[in-house]
Amino acid sequence: EAGVVQSPRYKIIEKKQPVAFWCNPISGHNTLYWYRQNLGQGPELLIRYENEEAVDDSQLPKDRFSAERLKGVDSTLKIQPAELGDSAVYLCASSQGAQRAFFGQGTRLTVV
Amino acid sequence: AQSVTQPDIHITVSEGASLELRCNYSYGATPYLFWYVQSPGQGLQLLLKYFSGDTLVQGIKGFEAEFKRSQSSFNLRKPSVHWSDAAEYFCAVAPDTGGFKTIFGAGTRLFVKA
Repeated sequence: EAGVVQSPRYKIIEKKQPVAFWCNPISGHNTLYWYRQNLGQGPELLIRYENEEAVDDSQLPKDRFSAERLKGVDSTLKIQPAELGDSAVYLCASSQGAQRAFFGQGTRLTVV
Repeated sequence: AQSVTQPDIHITVSEGASLELRCNYSYGATPYLFWYVQSPGQGLQLLLKYFSGDTLVQGIKGFEAEFKRSQSSFNLRKPSVHWSDAAEYFCAVAPDTGGFKTIFGAGTRLFVKA
């Protein structure tokens, strides 16, 4: 069974440019999470979806970040415009409801 | 191959009893080690981390973990469990603090009985 797939693995962009990350969760998992992991820190939840509904986006900086999960499957996370402080690893995870979460390999974003 | 093993899929303890969650890792060098907790339907929360120094590290919510190089283990402990500790616990390793190559264990679900 395929795990959580994220792309790209790496992304380098100049500040003020837009960037998007894509996540394909495990088939059948209705819950999807986006995390940001800053250097030397643990992952911080940005947004959680139950199917296509964002049920917890309290930590998502809404001025520049947006996310969507059309049809309750794949999800994209967008930053526009990116700032230097957005450099981090962005992790996607999925689960079946409140069951164990499975994590993708992450996307490393570097903003220069 | 690099891996993290949490041998116990689930554990049940009585409230007030002590807790130990096991974590073993396979890594080419000394890794950075983490424990996270995920309450039902919630996101991950970092409990504690070990980078270097004292092998016994203290975390939040009364948790501690001990790094044992000889056993490639990083077990999580708590002397007295509270009902609110019922959650999923993930051990994780990384080659550095960057997070990109963090490998998570499969998790251990903790049940607390009255």
